[in-house]
Amino acid sequence: QVQLQESGPGLVKPSGTLSLTCAVSGDSISGANWWSWVRQSPGKGLEWIGEISRGGGSIYNPSLRSRVTMSVDTSKNQLSLKLNSVTAADTAVYYCAGSFRYAFDIWGQGTMVTVSS
Amino acid sequence: QSVPTQPPSASGTPGQRVSISCSGSSSNIGGNAVNWYQQLPGTAPKLLIYTDNHRPSGVPDRFSGSRSGTSASLAISGLQSEDEGDYYCVAWDDSLRGRVFGTGTRVTVL
Repeated sequence: QVQLQESGPGLVKPSGTLSLTCAVSGDSISGANWWSWVRQSPGKGLEWIGEISRGGGSIYNPSLRSRVTMSVDTSKNQLSLKLNSVTAADTAVYYCAGSFRYAFDIWGQGTMVTVSS
Repeated sequence: QSVPTQPPSASGTPGQRVSISCSGSSSNIGGNAVNWYQQLPGTAPKLLIYTDNHRPSGVPDRFSGSRSGTSASLAISGLQSEDEGDYYCVAWDDSLRGRVFGTGTRVTVL
């Protein structure tokens, strides 16, 4: 059974860079058609950040595109997310999600990131 | 870009049927399949319905989905206490060239 585990700093300073990784276990990261990051601000709904396909192509939410980079490391079986120039508005739970058979059919448990000085 | 709109809340007593709407636009729901996700309190979202009306293995047949025009809906029949949580629709948006989540609906079992 595929499992995802997000990790990274829980606290990031304003104007800094948020860096998260998502470790994939139970299957090869190449087994998914694409990988996504989704976030949820406290008490709010889900927001799609972007996704990266098995072939390496990526698509980002236009509202975040200028600040986001996603990548996949097949040797480590993990994906990563970088979001730069963060502000308090980027405070959220960040989820990685894999699309193996259907869109977002496997989710990580999420990791809380707070942007604060 | 039109973010799919869902009612903020829905409720019912155990055993009742609850329906949740997801109203979008021609650029998203009007031309693309809809998935539904269930997020129970304190947990990650879970796939409930894919491609409008299909249930993944393990999802009870109490959950059903449909799509017509620029709207989609999720129905929960035989409502149970463990169904309490938030429900989100999502679709690809051709104008955005990305995915758009609905605003989310909190289901309460009275």
